[in-house]
Amino acid sequence: DTGVSQDPRHKITKRGQNVTFRCDPISEHNRLYWYRQTLGQGPEFLTYFQNEAQLEKSRLLSNRFSAERPKGSFSTLEIQRTEQGDSAMYLCASSLSGGGLDEQYFGPGTRLTVT
Amino acid sequence: AQSVTQLGSHVSVSEGALVLLRCNYSSSVPPYLFWYVQYPNQGLQLLLKYTSAATLVKGINGFEAEFKKSETSFHLTKPSAHMSDAAEYFCAVSDGNAGNMLTFGGGTRLMVKP
Repeated sequence: DTGVSQDPRHKITKRGQNVTFRCDPISEHNRLYWYRQTLGQGPEFLTYFQNEAQLEKSRLLSNRFSAERPKGSFSTLEIQRTEQGDSAMYLCASSLSGGGLDEQYFGPGTRLTVT
Repeated sequence: AQSVTQLGSHVSVSEGALVLLRCNYSSSVPPYLFWYVQYPNQGLQLLLKYTSAATLVKGINGFEAEFKKSETSFHLTKPSAHMSDAAEYFCAVSDGNAGNMLTFGGGTRLMVKP
C-alpha cells in the first residue's frame, strides 16, 4: 500500500492556460474524491467517482473544470482557461466503500499557482 | 445542508498543557464526524471519527473527542501537548450521502511552545 499519490505536486501556470492534474488512488479503492483547499480555508468538495462513474459534482465545479476516471483507477482533473481564482491546493482522496462509512485517505495535493 | 464551525483559527499552548480545539456542526440528519490533521506540505491524516457508537472517541497520537448532541459539538482534546502536535487541524462532517462527501471547517492551527 503506497497511499494516494498526486502529480505534479506544484504547478505554476499563466492565466488562460489549461492544466491537468493526476491522482492515483490506493489500488483496491473504488471511490475517488477531489477537493479544493484555498489558503487559510478547509478543503471543499468538488466531485467524486465510484469506479468510473462520476456520481456527484459540486456547484464549485464550473464548466471550465472536468474530471475523469476512465478505467476506474487513476483520475485526472483538468482546468481550462485558468483564472487567478483557481489558485489553490487540489486534494485527491480515495476510499473503499463497504456498506458503511468508508474512510477517505488523502494524497499530498497539487498546489496550483495562476499568475 | 451541513456545516462546520471551528472556533479559533489559531491556538497556542505550552508543551505539556491541555489541548482543546473546538468544533460545532450543523446537520439535518445524524452526522458522522471527523478530525483530520495536516502537517505542512502533506495531505490530511485521519485522527478519529464518530459514527454513532460511543460518544467518546479515542484516536491516534493520544487525541480524543466527545460527541455532544445537545451542544452540536465535537471538540478535540489531548491531555498533554507535544511539540510534534503543531499542525493544522480540521473538523469535518458527513451525512453519509453523496459517497460520504466531507464538509470541512476552516481549520485551527495549533502552535506548541517549548
